[in-house]
Amino acid sequence: GIQVEQSPPDLILQEGANSTLRCNFSDSVNNLQWFHQNPWGQLINLFYIPSGTKQNGRLSATTVATERYSLLYISSSQTTDSGVYFCAVVANFGNEKLTFGTGTRLTIIP
Amino acid sequence: DGGITQSPKYLFRKEGQNVTLSCEQNLNHDAMYWYRQDPGQGLRLIYYSQIVNDFQKGDIAEGYSVSREKKESFPLTVTSAQKNPTAFYLCASSIHQKGTEAFFGQGTRLTVV
Repeated sequence: GIQVEQSPPDLILQEGANSTLRCNFSDSVNNLQWFHQNPWGQLINLFYIPSGTKQNGRLSATTVATERYSLLYISSSQTTDSGVYFCAVVANFGNEKLTFGTGTRLTIIP
Repeated sequence: DGGITQSPKYLFRKEGQNVTLSCEQNLNHDAMYWYRQDPGQGLRLIYYSQIVNDFQKGDIAEGYSVSREKKESFPLTVTSAQKNPTAFYLCASSIHQKGTEAFFGQGTRLTVV
């Protein structure tokens, strides 16, 4: 099946800093989503972005489908940005399931 | 409000007992999914359903069972055959399975005592 790798696994930043999270996938996809898992475990939808670029406030994401990667940018980090960020994809061919990466744990220090 | 509701939020079970986790959605979505998350790990797919009365096994279906008798409901039963059931369980839905955005419920934390 499709493989999804996220980097870095852990990231610790000072409040106000910018960050870039990366998601690499091993096959062509028709769905790519970024989620933020809050301290209570809930998955919050950030972006649905199988290709192209989107922005929502301090967050933006870019997916280059032909090169099989996606980037999530967080600018001017706040402590509320802390948590785990997951990338998930659905492969174009084969089993049509949403496959998750192992996540990036982001900690923002005041 | 439209959304996905999982209940209960916390569940304690004695070893050897079956337990059923509820997942209801009022988004009129066709596809529904169950995932399991262990501490510090990503999400792994247990079962998914594309339409009523149809479902498929995911990567870790052993020890679990599901039903899809109604479009809005997809309950998950954790049976006594599941060797390590303590985990966080998340339910999701999407309009269709392929290429559409999935949304998640708030999860059920199951502890076997």
